[in-house]
Amino acid sequence: EVQLLESGGDLVQPGGSLRLSCAASGFTFSSYAMSWVRQAPGKGLEWVSGISGSGGSTNYADSVKGRFTISRDNSKNTLDLQMSSLRAEDTAVYYCAKDRCVSASCYMGDWGQGTLVTVSS
Amino acid sequence: DIQMTQSPSTLSASVGDRVTITCRASQSISSWLAWYQQKPGKAPKLLIYKASNLESGVPSRFSGSGSGTEFTLTISSLQPDDSATYYCQQYNSIQTFGQGTKLEIK
Repeated sequence: EVQLLESGGDLVQPGGSLRLSCAASGFTFSSYAMSWVRQAPGKGLEWVSGISGSGGSTNYADSVKGRFTISRDNSKNTLDLQMSSLRAEDTAVYYCAKDRCVSASCYMGDWGQGTLVTVSS
Repeated sequence: DIQMTQSPSTLSASVGDRVTITCRASQSISSWLAWYQQKPGKAPKLLIYKASNLESGVPSRFSGSGSGTEFTLTISSLQPDDSATYYCQQYNSIQTFGQGTKLEIK
């Protein structure tokens, strides 16, 4: 059974930094691309960032490019999202997701339960 | 970026009704479209991928169709457990989601 467990969500001041982690189990982690998707309170879903199975290829939404960094440790089956220069509009539940890809086209097959990031002074 | 527009934004229907949600893409995405169901306080759940492929374990009353720029999610006979928000997502390029359709049971 696929399990994705996010952690690291917290209250942080504007301009601050935070690191989210996702612990994966139940599948061969290194064989799958992974994504972070967020959902602001009462709003819809927004894809944030994705990373290939090897970690050699990454992508970011324009809204976070230059501020967020996605990474993975295939030896520990963990996915991370380093967030810096945080803004109020980054406040959201952040979901870790296991991608299913056909070539470069990926959708989210499995999701974690989410971790809440609140950016406020 | 490809924009995804869902209609309607909210929908109220009765148990047993046939329900259709539409998703339009701002440019052709072939069949690279997924549908998700999200209940309050829960993570999204994959229902349909590649426009019309039913995810394993999803009830057969759910179906998807379409290609190019226009897609539909249909629930053939609405059940009380189907009360949720539904999102489409294109994955032809950098993934984008529709704004969601909230489905309520009368």
